[in-house]
Amino acid sequence: QQPVQSPQAVILREGEDAVINCSSSKALYSVHWYRQKHGEAPVFLMILLKGGEQKGHEKISASFNEKKQQSSLYLTASQLSYSGTYFCGTEGTGAGSYQLTFGKGTKLSVIP
Amino acid sequence: DAGITQSPRHKVTETGTPVTLRCHQTENHRYMYWYRQDPGHGLRLIHYSYGVKDTDKGEVSDGYSVSRSKTEDFLLTLESATSSQTSVYFCAISLDSSYEQYFGPGTRLTVT
Repeated sequence: QQPVQSPQAVILREGEDAVINCSSSKALYSVHWYRQKHGEAPVFLMILLKGGEQKGHEKISASFNEKKQQSSLYLTASQLSYSGTYFCGTEGTGAGSYQLTFGKGTKLSVIP
Repeated sequence: DAGITQSPRHKVTETGTPVTLRCHQTENHRYMYWYRQDPGHGLRLIHYSYGVKDTDKGEVSDGYSVSRSKTEDFLLTLESATSSQTSVYFCAISLDSSYEQYFGPGTRLTVT
């Protein structure tokens, strides 16, 4: 089941904050966040594991609510370089869950 | 940057012809993945490998086969290309199943 991301798109001015949400219908072991700029490959930002461990990125943080199967990505004091499409990828807890299922993405545009 | 290359980077082929895409890594990572990316769908997993000669299907595996005879190479084959397989194909690697994934630069495939 593909996770649902919201919003689908957002426009910010430099310095503003943004929150991107990712919601799954299945029990999750981990949530990954990636950013992709136009014409480029996705780049790893953050991983959140069941149990609370988090590996991340300065000025970008995230939360993982295991009970609700939801994750949120927080972008603080946005910069022009934050523009791109953000994808969450979820890994289930079932047997053989060695793969990520990605959401459709959230397009973030930061303007001066 | 993780050492991942994909070849070819661009390919145009005709319906019904076989096509093989190559992913090569120099990181000695255990896991390798093939995704396709289409507008409105995000990244969808085709096949993945968790070791030499160990592969498994992803959510959109129909019409695709893979092989991994060496740790560093993961091949994706379209036995008989169809127009619905026109897409951008990304290879990714990770140290283990719940670790961050590093993506290759992508291959743009057009089937006419």
